[in-house]
Amino acid sequence: ILNVEQSPQSLHVQEGDSTNFTCSFPSSNFYALHWYRWETAKSPEALFVMTLNGDEKKKGRISATLNTKEGYSYLYIKGSQPEDSATYLCAFINAGNMLTFGGGTRLMVKP
Amino acid sequence: DSGVTQTPKHLITATGQRVTLRCSPRSGDLSVYWYQQSLDQGLQFLIQYYNGEERAKGNILERFSAQQFPDLHSELNLSSLELGDSALYFCASSVGVAGEYEQYFGPGTRLTVT
Repeated sequence: ILNVEQSPQSLHVQEGDSTNFTCSFPSSNFYALHWYRWETAKSPEALFVMTLNGDEKKKGRISATLNTKEGYSYLYIKGSQPEDSATYLCAFINAGNMLTFGGGTRLMVKP
Repeated sequence: DSGVTQTPKHLITATGQRVTLRCSPRSGDLSVYWYQQSLDQGLQFLIQYYNGEERAKGNILERFSAQQFPDLHSELNLSSLELGDSALYFCASSVGVAGEYEQYFGPGTRLTVT
């Protein structure tokens, strides 16, 4: 069983705060890392697919970085808004196409 | 709307029974993935099909099986159901076979085993 961990498990921030969370994964046999945004009562929605060490991706106020050598990825949200409230999930994919999800970080943004 | 459809939305059945969940991928997508989300275990990868062939297998029980048909829709068959099989089952689709392709999730099928 591969160990994919996300921290923190939950986070409460005020509107306008910037925040970041971490996904840790095995540094061997890496193929790709996915980030998803998952709102309550909806389905996971893809944010980023990251494949190369040093990758940085950005979509609006959300960005992500990847370090495959040390086995971590950061997700950053700049100027959090109430609509950013969701669970952010990472998924590690190895060379055999096996996916392992982290437990998610639940973000709550207070207006 | 991701373009991935799943039927039925809800399913209630008894222990020992067999059910079939159906997934239609987005137009043009050749890969279908099946996931299980139970309360105590988070989201678990079950199995992947690409263009009709099994490509990767995760934590799928022997009582469960899947297939992908020539029209690319997929079915997940769950048999000898147990109370612990109650979960939300998602399918997702992507255009390619490997992990560098974005996945699009369907709305899920909620299975309740009583």
